[in-house]
Amino acid sequence: DIQMTQSPSTLSASVGDRVTITCRASQSISSWLAWYQQKPGKAPNLLIHKASNLESGVPSRFSGSGSGTEFTLTISSLQPDDFATYYCQQYNTYSRTFGQGTKVEIK
Amino acid sequence: EVQLVESGGGLVQPGGSLRLSCSASGFTFSNYAMYWVRQAPGKGLEYVAGIGSNGGSTYYADSVKGRFTISRDESKNALYLQMSSLRAEDTAIYYCVKDLYNTSPYASGSYWDFWGQGTLVTVSS
Repeated sequence: DIQMTQSPSTLSASVGDRVTITCRASQSISSWLAWYQQKPGKAPNLLIHKASNLESGVPSRFSGSGSGTEFTLTISSLQPDDFATYYCQQYNTYSRTFGQGTKVEIK
Repeated sequence: EVQLVESGGGLVQPGGSLRLSCSASGFTFSNYAMYWVRQAPGKGLEYVAGIGSNGGSTYYADSVKGRFTISRDESKNALYLQMSSLRAEDTAIYYCVKDLYNTSPYASGSYWDFWGQGTLVTVSS
């Protein structure tokens, strides 16, 4: 199975900060990567698919990049609504593995 | 509007059984692979089971293989997860998830576009 490793596990930041989360795959997944945002008590919400394609309705401050084994999710200017946990997921293989999550906390 | 509504969660003793249901609406249910994903309290997301659009192909995570059975009923637009021999480590919120366009859980290249709100399963004596 492909392993997905996110870093950091927790990130403390302030409103207005630029934030970057990294997701690494144990083998190449081309660009078959999705990013989700999850708030407490809610289901995950799809932000980005195919590594860099923003879902409809997602603010443009979110962006994704990467291919192969290394990917990033960037929030250009952190807003109060962005404090949440973020997960990457590969869909290159049927195991559809998730990263362990990155919690973005208020500094 | 796509809606996925899970039900059937609750408290069950170790070794017991439970059947989760997911009622789907707002799309042609029979055209898409469907999945169950769980999240233990305070933990990350775990893909548990998937089923093809015709019910003919199924996938199970090693952690549930032989204990859980995924199925679907096209006439009711419903997805099910029959869980047996439940363990404390099965305690989690269980989410019903739709594939963007794949008809098989073994196909790749298609992400998951809609999630239900989840139903909580607690395994405890």
